[in-house]
Amino acid sequence: AQKITQTQPGMFVQEKEAVTLDCTYDTSDPSYGLFWYKQPSSGEMIFLIYQGSYDQQNATEGRYSLNFQKARKSANLVISASQLGDSAMYFCAMRPSNFGNEKLTFGTGTRLTIIP
Amino acid sequence: DAGVTQSPTHLIKTRGQQVTLRCSPKSGHDTVSWYQQALGQGPQFIFQYYEEEERQRGNFPDRFSGHQFPNYSSELNVNALLLGDSALYLCASSLIFQGAGEQYFGPGTRLTVT
Repeated sequence: AQKITQTQPGMFVQEKEAVTLDCTYDTSDPSYGLFWYKQPSSGEMIFLIYQGSYDQQNATEGRYSLNFQKARKSANLVISASQLGDSAMYFCAMRPSNFGNEKLTFGTGTRLTIIP
Repeated sequence: DAGVTQSPTHLIKTRGQQVTLRCSPKSGHDTVSWYQQALGQGPQFIFQYYEEEERQRGNFPDRFSGHQFPNYSSELNVNALLLGDSALYLCASSLIFQGAGEQYFGPGTRLTVT
């Protein structure tokens, strides 16, 4: 069984500052994929970034980067130069293998609020 | 490029009734997954459809059933509704065995059971 833990229910960050959202995971699968999604108040889940368990480098997508520490089983999301539009719920999720479309297991999320 | 669409947006049903939710995948995608998101929780996987068959299923009772059509669109049916079925139902589409297999979500259907 897979488990995702997000220990920060809510965070307040000043606009233009960087923010790190924590995610730890637990799995017995030899390979897996890790994802971050953003959910604005409208409800739609927006894909942000992906990291495969065998990827040697941390994933980056524009202002988003994933700090992947395999030995510590953590996959923290870093948002650089935060903007007001970044205010939303953020979910960490994992899938049991690098390829294919097996089910996603989500954490409970972190509500990020950007302060002007 | 059309994204994932879901209908209806909101729905109010009474306990014991049946409901059907609909989803059209992103253009070019062939796999549809359904998730239930209770208030304040992360989404929970219900099941996934590929080639008109249920490929995987989460820990949900048989009251939850689905279907995928030849055009890849999908329906989620819930019978004998319970108050606990009140949630946001999210549909996600993907292209099987391609790249990271990231799933793209629709805006969801908010179901309220009274």
